[in-house]
Amino acid sequence: ILNVEQSPQSLHVQEGDSTNFTCSFPSSNFYALHWYRWETAKSPEALFVMTLNGDEKKKGRISATLNTKEGYSYLYIKGSQPEDSATYLCALTNAGKSTFGDGTTLTVKP
Amino acid sequence: GAVVSQHPSRVICKSGTSVKIECRSLDFQATTMFWYRQFPKQSLMLMATSNEGSKATYEQGVEKDKFLINHASLTLSTLTVTSAHPEDSSFYICSASPVLSGNTIYFGEGSWLTVV
Repeated sequence: ILNVEQSPQSLHVQEGDSTNFTCSFPSSNFYALHWYRWETAKSPEALFVMTLNGDEKKKGRISATLNTKEGYSYLYIKGSQPEDSATYLCALTNAGKSTFGDGTTLTVKP
Repeated sequence: GAVVSQHPSRVICKSGTSVKIECRSLDFQATTMFWYRQFPKQSLMLMATSNEGSKATYEQGVEKDKFLINHASLTLSTLTVTSAHPEDSSFYICSASPVLSGNTIYFGEGSWLTVV
């Protein structure tokens, strides 16, 4: 059974702060890692798919890095905005099947 | 972009009855769809893999006779919770990947099931 851990569980920041979350996973048998942004009553929105050690991806103010050898990925948000408030999930994926972490719930206060 | 639609979003049923949840890929075909559930304060857990035209594959601990999965077409998978009990109350969500899309995965909006 894969164990995907995310930290912190929740985070409260002020608008304009930069923040980051961690996703830890077993480094063996790695195939792909997904980051999702999940707002209440909506579908999880895929942010990044990462497959290679050392991958760095960026979408606007959000970026992510991947270290498959040590088994972690970081998600960074620069200059947080209230609309960034959501739960951020990471998942290890292989052949479409995903093992999820518990998520990090971000609240950005205006 | 690609969309996966899940219906109903919320359902309340009486104990002992059956409930069907649909998962549709609206603008792509998916030979495989996945069903997850999430209990309060827990992570999303894979229940089963739905395979078009063949039997679903269930994860350990998931009763296949209780959670019936049908994937009769390339755009529709259904999950039927049979003889539902209060402990089946949970959040159920499906995902699908377009054929030959590699690691691209789309999720439905999820369905809240409450069994009273």
